[in-house]
Amino acid sequence: GQNIDQPTEMTATEGAIVQINCTYQTSGFNGLFWHQQHAGEAPTFLSYNVLDGLEEKGRFSSFLSRSKGYSYLLLKELQMKDSASYLCAVRPDTGRRALTFGSGTRLQVQP
Amino acid sequence: DGGITQSPKYLFRKEGQNVTLSCEQNLNHDAMYWYRQDPGQGLRLIYYSQIVNDFQKGDIAEGYSVSREKKESFPLTVTSAQKNPTAFYLCASSKRDRNTEAFFGQGTRLTVV
Repeated sequence: GQNIDQPTEMTATEGAIVQINCTYQTSGFNGLFWHQQHAGEAPTFLSYNVLDGLEEKGRFSSFLSRSKGYSYLLLKELQMKDSASYLCAVRPDTGRRALTFGSGTRLQVQP
Repeated sequence: DGGITQSPKYLFRKEGQNVTLSCEQNLNHDAMYWYRQDPGQGLRLIYYSQIVNDFQKGDIAEGYSVSREKKESFPLTVTSAQKNPTAFYLCASSKRDRNTEAFFGQGTRLTVV
């Protein structure tokens, strides 16, 4: 089976750093994705990790530890527009390439 | 510009009626997917297709049907057998490579009245 856990809500201050954690237990593993989703809109791709370590892309970084079934998304220099839901998703190592999503973390950035 | 288009953006359905949601992509992607999202929830997989004329059930396929007669198109029919169809429906597509990202359409919000 597939189980992906992430916090439901987080609050942070503009200009600060926030870390959103994701733990997963899946029948196989072939990559972990982070997406951003603003209310009422489609998810947009942020990052992809398949090997252990940190991937950095501008203000956003994502970390993966396959042995621990753990990932985090790090957002630096927070801006008000970063208020959104952040979805962790895993691609199982099966014939099915579809992503399995967590329930998402709703981030509120305050002034 | 290449992209993935869903229509309509908003859809109202009477109880007992079937309704079809459109999804078209011009990205030349082999794989296409349908997800359902309920308020405050993540995405749940309804159906997926990895090649033309082939599709597979996802985790919540009951009450839904799909077809994949063309590479560009993957319509989803919500049948009267779906007991709670009010939700936000998202279509996505991707290349067949395993490390590729999925591109999402803008979604269709279906409401049963």
